[in-house]
Amino acid sequence: EAGVVQSPRYKIIEKKQPVAFWCNPISGHNTLYWYLQNLGQGPELLIRYENEEAVDDSQLPKDRFSAERLKGVDSTLKIQPAELGDSAVYLCASSPHEGPDTQYFGPGTRLTVL
Amino acid sequence: TQLLEQSPQFLSIQEGENLTVYCNSSSVFSSLQWYRQEPGEGPVLLVTVVTGGEVKKLKRLTFQFGDARKDSSLHITAAQPGDTGLYLCAGDHGFQKLVFGTGTRLLVSP
Repeated sequence: EAGVVQSPRYKIIEKKQPVAFWCNPISGHNTLYWYLQNLGQGPELLIRYENEEAVDDSQLPKDRFSAERLKGVDSTLKIQPAELGDSAVYLCASSPHEGPDTQYFGPGTRLTVL
Repeated sequence: TQLLEQSPQFLSIQEGENLTVYCNSSSVFSSLQWYRQEPGEGPVLLVTVVTGGEVKKLKRLTFQFGDARKDSSLHITAAQPGDTGLYLCAGDHGFQKLVFGTGTRLLVSP
C-alpha cells in the first residue's frame, strides 16, 4: 500500500512569493491533516479535513494561507505571500477514521523563505 | 501553543544504555500516542495508550500512561543506534484533535 505522498520535497523561494504544496493521502482515508513543524519541535495542526469539508481550520493563518481538498482526495496548501517566518516543514497526514486514531504522515515539504 | 512538555529536549547516549523520556501536561487526555521521526521523514506511530496507569511494551520500548492521564513516559532499554530520532508524544483531548509535545531528540552512538 502506498503511503502519503507529498510534493515537492523541498522548496526555496523569495519572501513575498507564492508557494503551493500538494498531498495525496492513502487511498480510502477520509481524514486529511496539514501540519507545520519547526526544526526539532512537534507538529502543529493547521487544518483538518473530513472528506472535502474543512472541519478544523482554527490554527490556519487565513490572511496568507489557504487550503483545498477538492473531491475529498488530494489536497493543496498555499501560502501567498510567503514570509521569512514561514520557513518550516509542512507535513500532510491522513487517517482512515474520523478523529486522530492512527495518523499516517507523509515525508513533508521543507520550505525555505529567503 | 504547546500543551505537552517533553523532557529532556536532547539526549546523547552510548549504545547499550537505558533512557527515559517524559511527557507532561496539566490537561487530561483521553488517549496519548508516541511517535518517532527520522530526519527527512514524517512521524511514525509507535503506540497508543488509553487507560490511566496502562503500560505497553514494544520490544525494548516501554510506554506508561499516568494514572491521571496527564503524563506519560517512554523507557528504552539497551538503546541501539537505530533508536536515534525525534520522539514525540501527542495527546488527544477527545475533540478529534492531536496536540503534539515539544519533542525529544535522541542520539545513540555506537
